[in-house]
Amino acid sequence: AQSVTQLDSHVSVSEGTPVLLRCNYSSSYSPSLFWYVQHPNKGLQLLLKYTSAATLVKGINGFEAEFKKSETSFHLTKPSAHMSDAAEYFCVVSDSSGYSTLTFGKGTMLLVSP
Amino acid sequence: EAGVTQFPSHSVIEKGQTVTLRCDPISGHDNLYWYRRVMGKEIKFLLHFVKESKQDESGMPNNRFLAERTGGTYSTLKVQPAELEDSGVYFCASSQSAGGPWNEQFFGPGTRLTVL
Repeated sequence: AQSVTQLDSHVSVSEGTPVLLRCNYSSSYSPSLFWYVQHPNKGLQLLLKYTSAATLVKGINGFEAEFKKSETSFHLTKPSAHMSDAAEYFCVVSDSSGYSTLTFGKGTMLLVSP
Repeated sequence: EAGVTQFPSHSVIEKGQTVTLRCDPISGHDNLYWYRRVMGKEIKFLLHFVKESKQDESGMPNNRFLAERTGGTYSTLKVQPAELEDSGVYFCASSQSAGGPWNEQFFGPGTRLTVL
């Protein structure tokens, strides 16, 4: 069984300040972890993924995440927020047993103010 | 290359009516998935096709939901009869042939279903 907990339903930042979106996971297998983003009226887009290679993963648009097994965390960060980053972000886990069914967190809405 | 498309983008129906959602995956993608997000809840897996075969339908909520993928191309998800709790956003995703621990799933924009 696997699950994901996104610790904040909403995060508000000012443009140019750092972004931190928190995610904790639980998995019976060695997990693959992902962050997806959904902008209004768009499909979910893959930001980055961790699949048991480097623990610090770099994604698109300046985002990165660090896999910390001891803390069962996979927090998403960005040094400087841009207005275009305002969207909903989903932390996702998939086991590596051969199945690629995704288990989603509830999502974190990122609000960016000028 | 066209992405995953879904039709309609919105659907409003009365309780007891039937609705059919359609998903066109990226051309050549054998894997097709349906997910649903009920308001205030997380996105949840419904089922997975490999070509025209149902690989996993463990997430289908009940027998009012019927998914098909004739010919292994587009897929339909029919809800008959619709109930109030079926309201939500239905996402479709597709990925290339299985192989390796992970194949990226590409998502469509979703169909927002409202049952009144």
